[in-house]
Amino acid sequence: SQTIHQWPATLVQPVGSPLSLECTVEGTSNPNLYWYRQAAGRGLQLLFYSVGIGQISSEVPQNLSASRPQDRQFILSSKKLLLSDSGFYLCAWSPGRRSMNTEAFFGQGTRLTVV
Amino acid sequence: AQSVTQLGSHVSVSEGALVLLRCNYSSSVPPYLFWYVQYPNQGLQLLLKYTTGATLVKGINGFEAEFKKSETSFHLTKPSAHMSDAAEYFCAVGLGNNNDMRFGAGTRLTVKP
Repeated sequence: SQTIHQWPATLVQPVGSPLSLECTVEGTSNPNLYWYRQAAGRGLQLLFYSVGIGQISSEVPQNLSASRPQDRQFILSSKKLLLSDSGFYLCAWSPGRRSMNTEAFFGQGTRLTVV
Repeated sequence: AQSVTQLGSHVSVSEGALVLLRCNYSSSVPPYLFWYVQYPNQGLQLLLKYTTGATLVKGINGFEAEFKKSETSFHLTKPSAHMSDAAEYFCAVGLGNNNDMRFGAGTRLTVKP
């Protein structure tokens, strides 16, 4: 069966420090991968999605970047964190184009607090 | 572009009462609709989904939703609320081609004893 791992679960980082959140998927190949951010009291904002290795689409201009160095690995990064980067970050995957319109499966999330 | 609107950021019901969480969508093509539940500090779990076929969709934990094209709605219901239903609920629409999803702002459900 497929599983998704996201770490760390919580993170407190000072303003200006770098960030690296990692997400890996097991039990499937060629998944679509997503990074969402959930700010307090707000819905889920799609930050990045990827349909393949090295293919990253950015939804909103921001202080963050994403990379997909391997088929089932998705990394969210920042060179210098801002206070406004605080939030709950969720990684998700869904089957690729061969299985359209299926649901996304979510990791447990990372709560990032920038201080 | 596809989008969803969830009416009511907070809904409070008594235990045993009907749960109704509202979702309206906007889509230029036949939509694929989803309801997810999120418990505190956890990821999202799929409750149910509508793709094609029967417009009344049954999901886990006794929830169901009805796709109404004429009303562009996909409201989530449960006949009798349980304390364990207290959580945040998200409606989502799928774009279809690369499974990109757009989520509503969420509705926090509180269940009173």
